[in-house]
This record gives sequence, structure tokens and C-alpha cells, in this order.
Amino acid sequence: EVQLVESGGGLVQPGRSMKLSCAASGFTFSNYGMAWVRQAPTKGLEWVATISYDGSSTYYRDSVKGRFTISRDNAKSTLYLQMNSLRSEDTATYYCTREGYTTDYYYPLAYWGQGTLVTVSS
Amino acid sequence: DIQMTQSPSSMSVSLGDTVTITCRASQDVGIYVNWFQQKPGKSPRRMIYRATNLADGVPSRFSGSRSGSDYSLTISSLESEDVADYHCLQYDEYPYTFGAGTKLELK
Repeated sequence: EVQLVESGGGLVQPGRSMKLSCAASGFTFSNYGMAWVRQAPTKGLEWVATISYDGSSTYYRDSVKGRFTISRDNAKSTLYLQMNSLRSEDTATYYCTREGYTTDYYYPLAYWGQGTLVTVSS
Repeated sequence: DIQMTQSPSSMSVSLGDTVTITCRASQDVGIYVNWFQQKPGKSPRRMIYRATNLADGVPSRFSGSRSGSDYSLTISSLESEDVADYHCLQYDEYPYTFGAGTKLELK
């Protein structure tokens, strides 16, 4: 069974940093692309960043580019999101997601963790 | 960025109804649309991928379709467990973008 367990959220002051982790189990982590998606309180879903299965390619939404870094440690089956220069508008539940795979193709955001809440406030 | 215009934003429904939710893409996204269900306080759950494919474990009363740049999620014979928020996603190009969501509420 695919399991994704996020950790590292909490209250942080504007301008400070925070690092989220996502521990993966139940599948071969190094075979799948991963992504972070966030959801501000009472708002819709927002894609944040994606990393390829081997970490060689990363993609970010413009509002976090240069501030957030997605990375992975395949030996530890763990996904990370380093968040710097945090702003109030980064307040959200952050979800770790995994690609899905069918017979001959991958598609994003197939599996989701339970989420971790990040609150940016003074 | 590609805009996914989702409608309606909310819908009052009755058990047994057939419900259709639509997302219109601002440019061609091909078949690269997913649909998600989200219940209060829970993580989203994939329902449909590649516009028309039913994800594993999803009841057959759910279906996805495409007509040009319009993508639809249809729930036939709505059950109580289907009352939730629904979101569409385009992943044809980065940044991936979601629709604003549709909230189903029981009459």
C-alpha cells in the first residue's frame, strides 16, 4: 500500500525558513516522480513543485521560484521541500503526492499524503 | 498559465441525481486532465486521469469525458458518499493548474 507521510509543518514567522519532509513507503520510491501541492485554508488546490524520479529535473510555480527547493533522497525514500523567505500567502496545508502508472504511461498526483499545515505569521 | 474554468462553483443535489461538473481549458491541454474528490478535512483522491480513465477503486458511476476544450466529470445516480468537493487539474504543461473547485451539497 502506498503511504506518504508529511512532517515538518507548524508556525513560522514571515521571512524565516522551514523544511518539509515526506516519508514514502509501500513502493519503489526511486521509480516515481513526486510533487508538492498546497491548499490555503478554505481555498482551492495549488500545484507547487515537481521533481523527476531521479531528481534530475525540477519544476516550480513562479510564486515560489527562487524561494522553495524540492529535492529527494532515494536511498531514504524521502521527499523534501525547503521553503525560504516565507510569506503569509504561503500559509497552507502542503500535500506530498506521487505519480500514478498504468500500462505504458505516468500521470501526476495519483497518491496523496495527509498533508502538513504551514502557518506563516508573526 | 493555462486557466481551468470550473463550473458550477457549487451545486445543490439530491440522492440519485446525475451530476455533471465541467472544466474549460483556456488553451489546448489534450487529454491531460485529472479529476479529484476531496471530503472535508481529508486529502484529495484521484478519480479520473487522462480525461476519461477511471482510477482504481473508483465506482463505475463516475465517468470523465472531453468535448474540445471542455472536460466533464459525471456522477450517475449520486450516493451520499459522493457529496464532496471536486477539482479538475490540467497537466499538459507547467505550471499545473487546478480549477477553483465545485462543492456538492445535499438539498
